[in-house]
Amino acid sequence: GAGVSQSPSNKVTEKGKDVELRCDPISGHTALYWYRQSLGQGLEFLIYFQGNSAPDKSGLPSDRFSAERTGGSVSTLTIQRTQQEDSAVYLCASSFQGLRREETQYFGPGTRLLVL
Amino acid sequence: DAKTTQPNSMESNEEEPVHLPCNHSTISGTDYIHWYRQLPSQGPEYVIHGLTSNVNNRMASLAIAEDRKSSTLILHRATLRDAAVYYCILRDVKGAQKLVFGQGTRLTINP
Repeated sequence: GAGVSQSPSNKVTEKGKDVELRCDPISGHTALYWYRQSLGQGLEFLIYFQGNSAPDKSGLPSDRFSAERTGGSVSTLTIQRTQQEDSAVYLCASSFQGLRREETQYFGPGTRLLVL
Repeated sequence: DAKTTQPNSMESNEEEPVHLPCNHSTISGTDYIHWYRQLPSQGPEYVIHGLTSNVNNRMASLAIAEDRKSSTLILHRATLRDAAVYYCILRDVKGAQKLVFGQGTRLTINP
């Protein structure tokens, strides 16, 4: 079946502009995760959604970052007033339920964001 | 999540076995050992996981030390497509759902 998809694949923006990144999880997966990967920081967790529970936002680096998940499926990560240090690959993952620690997470290809 | 230690890089030859080590001396009894890998320009992908016993699947084998303080990911016959960064991750059954990635091991496969 179809895997996790993300759009756009690449995004170039100017400092100070807002950007929206989209993630379509695997159908039927109730858990969704956002990570980002930058040269200096490696792969780091941003936010986690599980069903109708309140999201775990503990990884969001600042209040310029927010995410929502509509209808328990598609998620949008929004970065307001982008800064150059926001340049990174933003990765989305989903898992079946997100309730068991041995559960596999399936990653999308990522959105490569460059802030000029 | 408990910390893992992996070599920064390893090199092997095509069609030979590869043993990727991971040390996790502070592992707790409820930590699962997971391996993910990241091929160039792709998102990470799941490889294998285990708790106490050795595990095999179509991609690899996972050998877990008796005291669980270390584990080894075994690729039985490496191909060029196995060139990737391999991450060893501990997941506590009581901990958060997020994956905590270290620096991983960059595996180079020589033709």
